[in-house]
Amino acid sequence: TQLLEQSPQFLSIQEGENLTVYCNSSSVFSSLQWYRQEPGEGPVLLVTVVTGGEVKKLKRLTFQFGDARKDSSLHITAAQPGDTGLYLCAANNFNKFYFGSGTKLNVKP
Amino acid sequence: EAGVAQSPRYKIIEKRQSVAFWCNPISGHATLYWYQQILGQGPKLLIQFQNNGVVDDSQLPKDRFSAERLKGVDSTLKIQPAKLEDSAVYLCASSRGGEGTEAFFGQGTRLTVV
Repeated sequence: TQLLEQSPQFLSIQEGENLTVYCNSSSVFSSLQWYRQEPGEGPVLLVTVVTGGEVKKLKRLTFQFGDARKDSSLHITAAQPGDTGLYLCAANNFNKFYFGSGTKLNVKP
Repeated sequence: EAGVAQSPRYKIIEKRQSVAFWCNPISGHATLYWYQQILGQGPKLLIQFQNNGVVDDSQLPKDRFSAERLKGVDSTLKIQPAKLEDSAVYLCASSRGGEGTEAFFGQGTRLTVV
């Protein structure tokens, strides 16, 4: 069973559209991270959220940590082709990184 | 600072052959991880080292996979004998350790078993 469930699995949208990706678990985490992975590369950290209810913004990306620290969301405003990639949420428990199943985003020009 | 280095980038082998992957983590990072990523899925942790000791290898298929971290720096992951289902990208990552720390990944080795 997957510790972290992500939805949707695939998302194909037009440039300029908004989207939200979800990461859910039945477990409570001290922190959650979001990574982005491009083809042929390893994942790269986008953000770490630590406090329940926390909202962090990174340009057009908005990350939220659920109040109960069991879930998180990533919202992208006005998506661009450069946002295309695999988005992964990850939980860091006792120095181990557990990754979700990933959301593959394709932004068409 | 230099990133996590992995080699080779690509490897094609026949089933039942053996293969080895090499990883050089970021200098000073005590924790090193090997992940297996099957196409379209998230990375799955195979083994975690703290310095040169194994912290977690519960997901490592020990009948065919082995890993070592010499002198707490470089690491090698070996598969012997390989099966078709071992076809995946093998990612090495390192971190300083601690809550909220970041994992830094190499580019990975894409293994195809035919």
